[in-house]
Amino acid sequence: DAKTTQPTSMDCAEGRAANLPCNHSTISGNEYVYWYRQIHSQGPQYIIHGLKNNETNEMASLIITEDRKSSTLILPHATLRDTAVYYCIVSTQGGSEKLVFGKGTKLTVNP
Amino acid sequence: NAGVTQTPKFQVLKTGQSMTLQCAQDMNHEYMSWYRQDPGMGLRLIHYSVGAGITDQGEVPNGYNVSRSTTEDFPLRLLSAAPSQTSVYFCASTHRTGNTEAFFGQGTRLTVV
Repeated sequence: DAKTTQPTSMDCAEGRAANLPCNHSTISGNEYVYWYRQIHSQGPQYIIHGLKNNETNEMASLIITEDRKSSTLILPHATLRDTAVYYCIVSTQGGSEKLVFGKGTKLTVNP
Repeated sequence: NAGVTQTPKFQVLKTGQSMTLQCAQDMNHEYMSWYRQDPGMGLRLIHYSVGAGITDQGEVPNGYNVSRSTTEDFPLRLLSAAPSQTSVYFCASTHRTGNTEAFFGQGTRLTVV
């Protein structure tokens, strides 16, 4: 699977948008971009995924560049409960049973 | 609907002891996986299964055995625990159709002394 690069940590003010970047320059044509988050030491939680079009759900938006070499996860109105480690993962759609996690980005939402 | 349930939540073992970490899911998912997470690190895949009777190795399989006799259960066995296996273990399951997201359990925190 393609490797991803994320910043180690980021801060965001409560109520503001949090924009988390991810580089995946070696992504293959059939690989999707997935985002998960891990709050404290709980099990990871799925957020969103996409192939090449921008995606939005009730939790977040995913913006993928046209060349698909990078993406940004957007939490539109961050709350304190969004403080977590966010993982960007690239995988084929049929590969969610063998995800490859990096170290992720620790997002801290400050009051 | 409980999702993915892992037991126990905490366990302390002595070096050389054996134990089984339990994982059960009630979503009728075909795929199940085991990961370990060491401090400050992301999760690493130990073993996974795409159906009853079918298992395969992940990135860090040494020291662990698995079997999948039913769709619901995917136990992870440590035959002879070592301090290097001190970690937090997560089980996950995924539906084969669509296969868009993995559902994770709350983890088992294992300490080997």
